[in-house]
Order: sequence, then C-alpha cells, then structure tokens
Amino acid sequence: DQQVKQNSPSLSVQEGRISILNCDYTNSMFDYFLWYKKYPAEGPTFLISISSIKDKNEDGRFTVFLNKSAKHLSLHIVPSQPGDSAVYFCAAVNYGGSQGNLIFGKGTKLSVKP
Amino acid sequence: EADIYQTPRYLVIGTGKKITLECSQTMGHDKMYWYQQDPGMELHLIHYSYGVNSTEKGDLSSESTVSRIRTEHFPLTLESARPSHTSQYLCASSELVTYEQYFGPGTRLTVT
Repeated sequence: DQQVKQNSPSLSVQEGRISILNCDYTNSMFDYFLWYKKYPAEGPTFLISISSIKDKNEDGRFTVFLNKSAKHLSLHIVPSQPGDSAVYFCAAVNYGGSQGNLIFGKGTKLSVKP
Repeated sequence: EADIYQTPRYLVIGTGKKITLECSQTMGHDKMYWYQQDPGMELHLIHYSYGVNSTEKGDLSSESTVSRIRTEHFPLTLESARPSHTSQYLCASSELVTYEQYFGPGTRLTVT
C-alpha cells in the first residue's frame, strides 16, 4: 500500500506560469519531506525539503507548502521555465522498518512549454 | 556538486549470468543506498549501509546482495540474473545525520 501518493502522472504548463505539483501521504508519523527532480538518463537531484514544524519553505522559484491536517504537500514553481521539464518525486522520511530512509511517490512528469 | 558514480550505465545480459553493479562516491558519506525503479513507478529501497561492514535490507525484497568493504564503494551483485531483474538501479549516499541523499546516474539493466 502506497504511503506517499502523487496522483497526477503528468502536468503541462506554459512557460512563465505557475506549476503546482501535489503529494499526499497516509502516515501521520511522517514529519520531514523532500522533493527531487529527475531528468531522463540521470539520477534524481534534491530540490527542496520541509519539516513538519513549518508550513512553508521557499528557495528561489521553488516553494513547498505542507498541510499536516490534510496530509498534503505541494511544490510551487514560479515562474516555470522550459528547463524545469522533468519528473518530480515527493519523498517522506520513514521512521518505520528502514529507519530514517526515504519513501518515494511515483513521480509527476512536468512539461513546461515555451 | 555531488560526486557519485555508477558503472556500467547500461547493461544487457543473458539469463543466469552473474553481474556486479558498481557504485562509488567521493564525498566521504557514511550512508549509502541502492534503489530499484521501474518506469512510471516509485523508487524502492532494496539495500542500505550505515558504514564499512554494515549492510541492511531495504523495504523491497531483492535477490541481490551488497558489500561495504570501503567507505566509498558499495557494489551490488546478482548471482544469477533473470528477466524479472530488468529495471533501473540507482545508488545514493548521504551523511549519517541528514536526510538529503545524493544520487548517481543509475544503471539500466536488461536481462534477456
């Protein structure tokens, strides 16, 4: 059973507009989340993270919002650029069987059109 | 800039062959990981290590084995490859006290 869910396999956005990628989780014990970006034929690269003591974390064009009551987080990219086209993975820190390791969602493929 | 390397990048091999996927990092990270990923699916943790002589099984059961004789090196071995092992294998590393992991470029394995 998936504990981290990214229900949109793909998203298409116009250059300059906002991209919003969503992620839901089922385990209320999760308290640290990360977003990774992955280009084809490359490994994922870390983008931004958020701890449950915050509801927002910002880094340049990237902002992550956390709604603990809804068990939902989102990644906002403003403004979107063609180079942002990639697969974005949401991950949660697992305090269960493999302590401190990450549980990933299936990813959302973002396409930013010029 | 993260420095973590995987070889080979692509491998096509016949059923029954023994293979070793190499992973090395130059960051001095204690913790290392192996993930398996199929297209459109999540990354599944199959092995991890806290340091030299430490190896643990991950959340996804795997027929592969790993070793950690040196801090920088974390190879993965399949004694007898089968078509069900066809997948992408990603290696990662991190410091012991942080959650951020640095990933290698991956090895795409095809077993015919």
